[in-house]
Amino acid sequence: GAVVSQHPSRVICKSGTSVKIECRSLDFQATTMFWYRQFPKQSLMLMATSNEGSKATYEQGVEKDKFLINHASLTLSTLTVTSAHPEDSSFYICSARSVAVQETQYFGPGTRLLVL
Amino acid sequence: LAKTTQPISMDSYEGQEVNITCSHNNIATNDYITWYQQFPSQGPRFIIQGYKTKVTNEVASLFIPADRKSSTLSLPRVSLSDTAVYYCLVGDWGTGRRALTFGSGTRLQVQP
Repeated sequence: GAVVSQHPSRVICKSGTSVKIECRSLDFQATTMFWYRQFPKQSLMLMATSNEGSKATYEQGVEKDKFLINHASLTLSTLTVTSAHPEDSSFYICSARSVAVQETQYFGPGTRLLVL
Repeated sequence: LAKTTQPISMDSYEGQEVNITCSHNNIATNDYITWYQQFPSQGPRFIIQGYKTKVTNEVASLFIPADRKSSTLSLPRVSLSDTAVYYCLVGDWGTGRRALTFGSGTRLQVQP
């Protein structure tokens, strides 16, 4: 149980385009999902907290107009990187909390974004 | 959230027991201790979680002393596939809305 999926697993896009990443909780409902970013050889950095049916809460320094988050249902959250630039190239990871399984968060496999 | 301190890296050999200690001097009463494992280009994988004393599951044990200011993740008989980064996290996620904050983690290298 407690499986989180992400799609796509990797994406390459041109500078200036927008990219949408999906995060799904497959076998549980998640009222709250989280988005992280990880650069090579570094730890995970929290970008935003996504609550179902309400606006996301962004961490300091994360542009909410650039990283659009939508949490339309209890099993799906999306992150859209708008007008992507090469510096947005990173590994994006989502996580979701399962109350039913355990008091912790379960992570997706991550999405590798490369902006050319 | 309580800050955690872990060794940056550790080396071991196959078949050995590995103990990774994490310090969290400012742990709060409601905080749990959770350990994750991360392989390159993958999301973190939940290993074990505890509040006090000892917790054991099929992959690891977690030892927490009475003062809870530290914890030790114990991996019995490691193999090459246990080479990864291990993160210790401390926090109260009872409400479900607070995210996990990651420290630098411990990079474990298992050699044949």
